[in-house]
Amino acid sequence: RKEVEQDPGPFNVPEGATVAFNCTYSNSASQSFFWYRQDCRKEPKLLMSVYSSGNEDGRFTAQLNRASQYISLLIRDSKLSDSATYLCVGNTGGYNKLIFGAGTRLAVHP
Amino acid sequence: SQTIHQWPATLVQPVGSPLSLECTVEGTSNPNLYWYRQAAGRGLQLLFYSVGIGQISSEVPQNLSASRPQDRQFILSSKKLLLSDSGFYLCAWKGWSEAGLTGELFFGEGSRLTVL
Repeated sequence: RKEVEQDPGPFNVPEGATVAFNCTYSNSASQSFFWYRQDCRKEPKLLMSVYSSGNEDGRFTAQLNRASQYISLLIRDSKLSDSATYLCVGNTGGYNKLIFGAGTRLAVHP
Repeated sequence: SQTIHQWPATLVQPVGSPLSLECTVEGTSNPNLYWYRQAAGRGLQLLFYSVGIGQISSEVPQNLSASRPQDRQFILSSKKLLLSDSGFYLCAWKGWSEAGLTGELFFGEGSRLTVL
């Protein structure tokens, strides 16, 4: 089992839709999780931190379910500009080792 | 504020040639530094991380090496490149967080390597 797993997608949704991504992790001792956004041929940029049960920032909500070992990202009222790859990250390899999932691709269309 | 720079941004190298990618961080001291590689259409693979000068942890066996000669400088090297070394190389520093938690990573703009 991979340390951090994501559905690669792509998720094709219309503008205004609500879309959710899940990410599972293998190490139950992991404490810190993040969602990053990566545009084509660019570096990943931090979207949200998920330290405890959840976090909300505008249209974006991230949640952590420790019992089932997954985190989720919910995007409401999708915009064309939300089209990107979303990367799930956790310190599943230890305190200093941040492991990335392969990413979930989102395409928002008019 | 903290900034991170890496260079070169793009390079094309023949198989068997050496490689040196450099990364520097400004505005913070004693940062944890990371090198990741992203092959085309793939996720980020952790290559090396460093918690201090001269301290390097290697995550995967490969023909790459890393060095940290100064507090805010992290270098990725190879003596002889392979075709499989092609990819997008990303340097990152780890931010601070509350005790017991891991800070976020902040990435440089990346170095795109093509080995021919």
